[in-house]
Amino acid sequence: QQQVKQSPQSLIVQKGGISIINCAYENTAFDYFPWYQQFPGKGPALLIAIRPDVSEKKEGRFTISFNKSAKQFSLHIMDSQPGDSATYFCAASASNTGKLIFGQGTTLQVKP
Amino acid sequence: KAGVTQTPRYLIKTRGQQVTLSCSPISGHRSVSWYQQTPGQGLQFLFEYFSETQRNKGNFPGRFSGRQFSNSRSEMNVSTLELGDSALYLCASSIAPGAAYEQYFGPGTRLTVT
Repeated sequence: QQQVKQSPQSLIVQKGGISIINCAYENTAFDYFPWYQQFPGKGPALLIAIRPDVSEKKEGRFTISFNKSAKQFSLHIMDSQPGDSATYFCAASASNTGKLIFGQGTTLQVKP
Repeated sequence: KAGVTQTPRYLIKTRGQQVTLSCSPISGHRSVSWYQQTPGQGLQFLFEYFSETQRNKGNFPGRFSGRQFSNSRSEMNVSTLELGDSALYLCASSIAPGAAYEQYFGPGTRLTVT
């Protein structure tokens, strides 16, 4: 019940295209869903996060879609750029803890 | 505002030794969490500290321990190192514990056990 499943493991997108990464969870106690971006040699950087009281959140080119009934959430990167090439992690936690449960990560390559 | 800092950035140790890693949170942040990142297991939660108290602990053996000081700085210790402990150890800080507060990660300490 603690798992967060992330797909795909790797993704190649052309510049200007849309990158879509999906995550699914089982624990209904989870109520905070952040996405992190990690470049080689760096720590994960918080990209965008959503709580289950909304179905979508947009920040610039990054959008989270959240489906509470399906227990799924996804990250959409619009107009993908080569600088977006990184590893992306979804995560989930319950409100009574700061413990983040991470997905396995998606390596995104945006081709020029 | 300075980010989360971790020292040292790189460390090479021998099996059986022990190691201490340090984390200084963002100014004003009082909660610190530690994570282990490996290619095989991904990012795994180690422990969470707030007000010098451990609030949560992940599924790691007792060789992994930590503490938090009154200034919110935190250390983690791994005793009797094993080859499998080679990983990137990440520290994250937040204003307070709980999912209501965003966590910000440091650059990590790369530990290699030979």
